[in-house]
Amino acid sequence: EVQLLESGGGLVQPGGSLRLSCAASRFTFSSHTMYWVRQAPGKGLEWVSAISGSGDSTNYADSVKGRFTISRDNSKNTLFLQMNSLRVEDTAVYYCAKWSTMVRGVIRTDYGMDVWGQGTTVTVSS
Amino acid sequence: AIQMTQSPSSLSASVGDRVTISCRASQGITNDLGWYQQKPGKAPKLLIYSASNLQSGVPSRFSGSGSGTDFTLTISSLQPEDFATYYCLQDYNYPRTFGQGTKVEIK
Repeated sequence: EVQLLESGGGLVQPGGSLRLSCAASRFTFSSHTMYWVRQAPGKGLEWVSAISGSGDSTNYADSVKGRFTISRDNSKNTLFLQMNSLRVEDTAVYYCAKWSTMVRGVIRTDYGMDVWGQGTTVTVSS
Repeated sequence: AIQMTQSPSSLSASVGDRVTISCRASQGITNDLGWYQQKPGKAPKLLIYSASNLQSGVPSRFSGSGSGTDFTLTISSLQPEDFATYYCLQDYNYPRTFGQGTKVEIK
């Protein structure tokens, strides 16, 4: 079964740092763009960041740009999110997700985030 | 950033009802829209991609339509397991943006 497993969440003080990991299994990790999505307590989903399969293209939500860094190690099938200068409003469950795309000739079909991890909780509080 | 506006934010319905949820984009996004279902304490689940395509394994009572700025998710006959929160997501450009969610509750 295709699987994503997040880890690294915890309690951190404002201004602190945390590094999340997402271990992927049973799919060709390097072929897929990967996402981080978060959900603050009682709130909706917020897209955080994305990284291409090769790792050479990254994108961020304005709310985390300059503070968070997404990266990946394709040799270890692992996705990362380095979170610096954490704020109380970064408190959330963080999910990693696999983005599926199929390219047939010149036709590209984006399927969306078809596999999600179970989430890891980040709490920023003094 | 493209803003995605869902309506209603919540609704009450009975088993067997037809339910419609709307999502409007602040600018045209062709058909680059997905729908996700989330149950309490669980990760979201992909239902629909490219506005109207049913993800593998998703029951056929779910359907999506629309293009440009206006999109709709329809549940043709609501089942007990469908009570959840539903989100649209535009994948036309970055930053990706979700709608604020629609909570479907039992009447």
